[in-house]
Amino acid sequence: EDQVTQSPEALRLQEGESSSLNCSYTVSGLRGLFWYRQDPGKGPEFLFTLYSAGEEKEKERLKATLTKKESFLHITAPKPEDSATYLCAGDRGSTLGRLYFGRGTQLTVWP
Amino acid sequence: DAGVTQSPTHLIKTRGQQVTLRCSPKSGHDTVSWYQQALGQGPQFIFQYYEEEERQRGNFPDRFSGHQFPNYSSELNVNALLLGDSALYLCASSLWDEQYFGPGTRLTVT
Repeated sequence: EDQVTQSPEALRLQEGESSSLNCSYTVSGLRGLFWYRQDPGKGPEFLFTLYSAGEEKEKERLKATLTKKESFLHITAPKPEDSATYLCAGDRGSTLGRLYFGRGTQLTVWP
Repeated sequence: DAGVTQSPTHLIKTRGQQVTLRCSPKSGHDTVSWYQQALGQGPQFIFQYYEEEERQRGNFPDRFSGHQFPNYSSELNVNALLLGDSALYLCASSLWDEQYFGPGTRLTVT
């Protein structure tokens, strides 16, 4: 069964305290691994797509990496405005289709 | 660019009623997907439309149906509403390898 699991479910960090979020996947024939940020009551905001093991992408304080079984979202020196739920998703097949989402990690950064 | 837009923002319906949700994709995007997101869960794929045809479907009953128009906008219809259909319904549009989500429609079934 295609599945994406995220950990931890919730994470509280002090401003400036770096950490990592984990996303493990068992999507057969994974084509792409996606990261989204979601604020309460809003739609997910696209962050990154990763395609092959060893690939890394960065955006401001966020860096996403991919191995053959999992992906990490590293948050360096987070600020309170980074507080949100971070969702990971995988897809398979030849074109962008159904995304299999995890349940997300709820990140809270306090001053 | 307005991005992906959805209407209405909120909706309250009674069990057994029918509902139609609407989505306009990001400019230039030709593919629309619909997801259901229950509180505290990740989005669950309902179906995807491309060239006015349903291209993929998730594990949702036939009460959930959709349509895509020639201008790529889309509708999601849900018949015989159940209490468990209460959720945030998300529309996403894509072109190639980036999928962008709209703000969602919050549906409450009483």
